[in-house]
Amino acid sequence: DGGITQSPKYLFRKEGQNVTLSCEQNLNHDAMYWYRQDPGQGLRLIYYSQIVNDFQKGDIAEGYSVSREKKESFPLTVTSAQKNPTAFYLCASQAEGNSPYKDGYTFGSGTRLTVV
Amino acid sequence: SQQGEEDPQALSIQEGENATMNCSYKTSINNLQWYRQNSGRGLVHLILIRSNEREKHSGRLRVTLDTSKKSSSLLITASRAADTASYFCGTYTGRRALTFGSGTRLQVQP
Repeated sequence: DGGITQSPKYLFRKEGQNVTLSCEQNLNHDAMYWYRQDPGQGLRLIYYSQIVNDFQKGDIAEGYSVSREKKESFPLTVTSAQKNPTAFYLCASQAEGNSPYKDGYTFGSGTRLTVV
Repeated sequence: SQQGEEDPQALSIQEGENATMNCSYKTSINNLQWYRQNSGRGLVHLILIRSNEREKHSGRLRVTLDTSKKSSSLLITASRAADTASYFCGTYTGRRALTFGSGTRLQVQP
């Protein structure tokens, strides 16, 4: 079945550590996105990518980094510079990155990151 | 308020009743999308309405769009306990990524 997979489901980070969240899709979608969700809140955009080897900062990119070396993969690294990383992280993808106004997003099941 | 801000923030109804939630936005839009999120899960796309459409239906869902008032509403008819979730609207705000509001938390009592 086609879909978008986020791993791990739960992740614990120690102070000062970098951690990488995985996002893989086999939908042949061009565009991929990372959002952060805090408890009881909406989604805030971290980074997005319309095409391989290109990505743009969202509203809260500080303390995060991404890469898009393959169409299927869009990993998110939470660096030690992100002072309050505890949150629920959601990855999404969308077909037809050059024409983003036709379809909705497909979301993964999320990664819950906790700082210990 | 934010782009794509939903209201009410929370809504509690009995099974069988209709649920209406609203989304207001500030800038011109190409389309507006509604999503559902069950607790602890990812969002699921429900329906997309384009700026030149006024109403759209999908099963028990009815979405309206009023571009003059910069608002949209999502109506869920004959609600079920399984409709309990948070509902978000998403819009494009001059970039090619959706901006979401804070959502409406719907509780359907059996």
